[in-house]
Amino acid sequence: EAQLEESGGGLVQPGRSLRLSCAASGFTFENYAMHWVRQAPGKGLEWVSGISWNSNDIGYADSVKGRFTISRDNAKNSLYLQMNSLRAEDTALYYCAKGGTPYYSPMAVWGQGTTVTVSS
Amino acid sequence: DIVMTQSPDSLAVSLGERATINCRSGQSVLYSSSNQNYLAWYQQKPGQPPKLLISWASTREPGVPDRFSGSGSGTDFTLTISSLQAEDVALYFCQQYYSSPITFGQGTRLEIK
Repeated sequence: EAQLEESGGGLVQPGRSLRLSCAASGFTFENYAMHWVRQAPGKGLEWVSGISWNSNDIGYADSVKGRFTISRDNAKNSLYLQMNSLRAEDTALYYCAKGGTPYYSPMAVWGQGTTVTVSS
Repeated sequence: DIVMTQSPDSLAVSLGERATINCRSGQSVLYSSSNQNYLAWYQQKPGQPPKLLISWASTREPGVPDRFSGSGSGTDFTLTISSLQAEDVALYFCQQYYSSPITFGQGTRLEIK
């Protein structure tokens, strides 16, 4: 059974950095695109970033472009999100999601999420 | 960016009745060479991550009850629950994965009348 487990969330001051991790298991990680999706408290879903299986295709939401960096380590079955210059509006539950082999595919598996709170 | 607009924002339906949620994209998400619509529907229950229900506009995921169906093409799509069950109370989101940035609708809250 495919599973994703996020970690690295927490309380951080505005302007500081945080690195999220997502550990994958139960599927051949290196074959699939992966994504980060966030959900602010009581709000809808916002796609943050995605990365293709070989890291050749990477995309970001305009709201995080230039501040966040997505990466993956296929040898470690892990996905990462480096978040710099954090703002209050980045406060959300961050989900890791498994895409498909083509970069543009639905997200069939989701983790439980890790909470990021940006506040002084 | 492709803007996804769902209607209604909330919906109350009696048990056993039909529930219909609409989703409109700001531009077509139909990839002509494959004749596939890059449109998915997700269900999110309180305290849980989203769950993929429908992909490619009308393909039900394994294990999803057949009372859930998706239809539409191009820019207009519909999620239908043919006979509402108590466990279907949730938030529902449409999503386009046709182009970056991937975008979601604002969500529709489905409740029991």
